[in-house]
Amino acid sequence: DTAVSQTPKYLVTQMGNDKSIKCEQNLGHDTMYWYKQDSKKFLKIMFSYNNKELIINETVPNRFSPKSPDKAHLNLHINSLELGDSAVYFCASSQGPTTDTQYFGPGTRLTVL
Amino acid sequence: GESVGLHLPTLSVQEGDNSIINCAYSNSASDYFIWYKQESGKGPQFIIDIRSNMDKRQGQRVTVLLNKTVKHLSLQIAATQPGDSAVYFCAEKMDSSYKLIFGSGTRLLVRP
Repeated sequence: DTAVSQTPKYLVTQMGNDKSIKCEQNLGHDTMYWYKQDSKKFLKIMFSYNNKELIINETVPNRFSPKSPDKAHLNLHINSLELGDSAVYFCASSQGPTTDTQYFGPGTRLTVL
Repeated sequence: GESVGLHLPTLSVQEGDNSIINCAYSNSASDYFIWYKQESGKGPQFIIDIRSNMDKRQGQRVTVLLNKTVKHLSLQIAATQPGDSAVYFCAEKMDSSYKLIFGSGTRLLVRP
């Protein structure tokens, strides 16, 4: 069973479109995260939710909007996609917001044409 | 500012040899350090972690060393195998923060 899953695995879209990436974890964790990994493999935190409440909101364009319908799900919606949004987006979860170990999903490769 | 960096972007080792991947961190207040392994097309996978009150921790074929004096972290892999080929990331965190700060990664290539 996959602990942290993301859909879709690949997403190819045109500039200006709106798209969503979904994440689910079955670990019973309270905290979930979205990371962006650029072409140089650098991983940067974007958002974090703890029990459906936003606790980390890094400096990202407000075209990016996370939504957590329940603590097992954290979705990422992106409006008006730009070329620079092309990256791999990873979801992760941890037992709590200060719990050290984070478990990552397989990633979603977003390509904006 | 916060930063965690690695000295070597690519490390090539012979199968069976030991590998050492290094990481320098800048935040002396960090309480926790972790190594992740990322294989091609996959998400980062936890390898081993260490808290700041320790200087060494061993796992199965892996050892993490922490030198707080020079703010240096290393990952040692014994008897490196082809399956160890991946990008390795160190990351740091303060207990008072929610954020895990990642370094830039080192690619490990294992020659048969």
